[in-house]
Amino acid sequence: AQSVAQPEDQVNVAEGNPLTVKCTYSVSGNPYLFWYVQYPNRGLQFLLKYITGDNLVKGSYGFEAEFNKSQTSFHLKKPSALVSDSALYFCAVRDLQTGANNLFFGTGTRLTVIP
Amino acid sequence: EPEVTQTPSHQVTQMGQEVILRCVPISNHLYFYWYRQILGQKVEFLVSFYNNEISEKSEIFDDQFSVERPDGSNFTLKIRSTKLEDSAMYFCASSEPGQVSTQYFGPGTRLLVL
Repeated sequence: AQSVAQPEDQVNVAEGNPLTVKCTYSVSGNPYLFWYVQYPNRGLQFLLKYITGDNLVKGSYGFEAEFNKSQTSFHLKKPSALVSDSALYFCAVRDLQTGANNLFFGTGTRLTVIP
Repeated sequence: EPEVTQTPSHQVTQMGQEVILRCVPISNHLYFYWYRQILGQKVEFLVSFYNNEISEKSEIFDDQFSVERPDGSNFTLKIRSTKLEDSAMYFCASSEPGQVSTQYFGPGTRLLVL
């Protein structure tokens, strides 16, 4: 069975500091991993994805994420946080072994960037 | 940039009533999805649709739910007899063919069942 864990409900970081939003996953086969962001009263916006290849993937708005197979993690990072990055962040996984297209989401992490 | 659109943005209905939520996927996409997010909880998969039929569905997607692509652009989710616990944000998503394609989400419809 597939699952995603986001261990932190809330992350606070000062503007200009690096940020990390954590995600771990569990799948039976190879994972296909995503990060989405949700701004207030908006839908889910795609940030980045990992399929295969380079473990460090770069996405929109300066975000990047590192796939770590041994730790089954896919943490989201940004070198310098902006106030406008404040939002709800969701990690999601698809298990390529099952052949199913649906995504399994984590519970979300609310990021607050403090000016 | 192409977007998934959804209507209405908000809907309030009485328990037992039927509701239809509408979505216009990105035009060249062939896979369509519905997800829901109960307030304060995670986003949950409901159903996926390809080639005019359901390809996968979750245990949430029971006989009260149905999906349809009535024309070349719209994709609808119908709830036949709404229950209080159907209150949620419903997201439509679409993707291109291929197992590694990205799903793009609409802004959602917030459904409130009274």
